[in-house]
Amino acid sequence: AQTIHQWPVAEIKAVGSPLSLGCTIKGKSSPNLYWYWQATGGTLQQLFYSITVGQVESVVQLNLSASRPKDDQFILSTEKLLLSHSGFYLCAWSLSGGASQNTLYFGAGTRLSVL
Amino acid sequence: QQKVQQSPESLSVPEGGMASLNCTSSDRNFQYFWWYRQHSGEGPKALMSIFSDGDKKEGRFTAHLNKASLHVSLHIRDSQPSDSALYFCAVSEPSSNMGYKLTFGTGTSLLVDP
Repeated sequence: AQTIHQWPVAEIKAVGSPLSLGCTIKGKSSPNLYWYWQATGGTLQQLFYSITVGQVESVVQLNLSASRPKDDQFILSTEKLLLSHSGFYLCAWSLSGGASQNTLYFGAGTRLSVL
Repeated sequence: QQKVQQSPESLSVPEGGMASLNCTSSDRNFQYFWWYRQHSGEGPKALMSIFSDGDKKEGRFTAHLNKASLHVSLHIRDSQPSDSALYFCAVSEPSSNMGYKLTFGTGTSLLVDP
């Protein structure tokens, strides 16, 4: 069975500090990977997607970057956090072929508070 | 940025009742429609997808799609307290790289009173 693990579960960071969030998918080779951001009680905003190792496409500019160093790993990072980065970050995977016709499977998320 | 509007924003139904949620897209290129459910503090989970006009039933959940009006609805019969959650519709374009972009709606918060 496939599992998706996000780390850390929660972070409290200062404005201007760096950030690195991670996501690992086990049990599925060559998944499509996604990062989403969600304000408390709000909608989900897609940030990035990746079809293969080393390739990441940005969907919206939020002073964040993403990388896929391994087939099963997706990293979200920034060098300088802003207050607006606070929220819930969700990693997801789908079968190859995109999210149109394939289910997105989400991780449990990372709660980020920027103070 | 295409918009996906959901209504109502929040909804309260008694246990055993019927909950009806609505979603309208503003872009005719959107062809694939999904419903996702998110319990508090968790990641969303897919409920069902619907790609063709008409009804699709899965257990207590029925989705209805009208492509001409870009409207999709979700009906939950015999609502249970465990159905209390945020419900999102999500839409996607089928074309190549946009097939990887899934746009989520504004969400409906459902509360089922025991």
